[in-house]
Amino acid sequence: AQSVTQLGSHVSVSEGALVLLRCNYSSSVPPYLFWYVQYPNQGLQLLLKYTTGATLVKGINGFEAEFKKSETSFHLTKPSAHMSDAAEYFCAVIGGSGTYKYIFGTGTRLKVLA
Amino acid sequence: EPEVTQTPSHQVTQMGQEVILRCVPISNHLYFYWYRQILGQKVEFLVSFYNNEISEKSEIFDDQFSVERPDGSNFTLKIRSTKLEDSAMYFCASRTRHLNTEAFFGQGTRLTVV
Repeated sequence: AQSVTQLGSHVSVSEGALVLLRCNYSSSVPPYLFWYVQYPNQGLQLLLKYTTGATLVKGINGFEAEFKKSETSFHLTKPSAHMSDAAEYFCAVIGGSGTYKYIFGTGTRLKVLA
Repeated sequence: EPEVTQTPSHQVTQMGQEVILRCVPISNHLYFYWYRQILGQKVEFLVSFYNNEISEKSEIFDDQFSVERPDGSNFTLKIRSTKLEDSAMYFCASRTRHLNTEAFFGQGTRLTVV
């Protein structure tokens, strides 16, 4: 069965500092991986996705993530945090024998300190 | 830009009452989903719907839940006899038939059972 694990339910960074949110996945088949962001009282918005091809994927708002098969990881990074990045971030996986549901991690709440 | 719309944005209901949550998926999408998020917790899969039938459902999606696509545009989630623990944010999502595409989420319906 597929799953994702997000290490760190809360992450705090200073404005301008590097953002690193961790996601590890478990999948018996090549996964499709996604990062979503959720601002307070809003729905889920796609930041970026990995399906095939280039393992370093770039998304909106300056975020990027690298798919590392050997480490079963898909960590999200942003070189310089902005106050507007404060939100909850979810890693998700889809794809597997006979299943078409997106499986979400438990989420990481990012706090940006002035 | 096409979007998934959900109504109502908030619903307060008494325990034991039936509620219907409504969603209008993106028009050319073929897969439809309902997820829920209890306050501060993870995004949980409820059900997926394809070709006018349920394709997958979780253990949460018991006999009190049902889904319907009554016409070519709406997708509904019915909870027959609400319980206090049904209080959550419910998200509708849709995607194309291609597995390597992201799900587009609505803004959610906040259901409060009193």
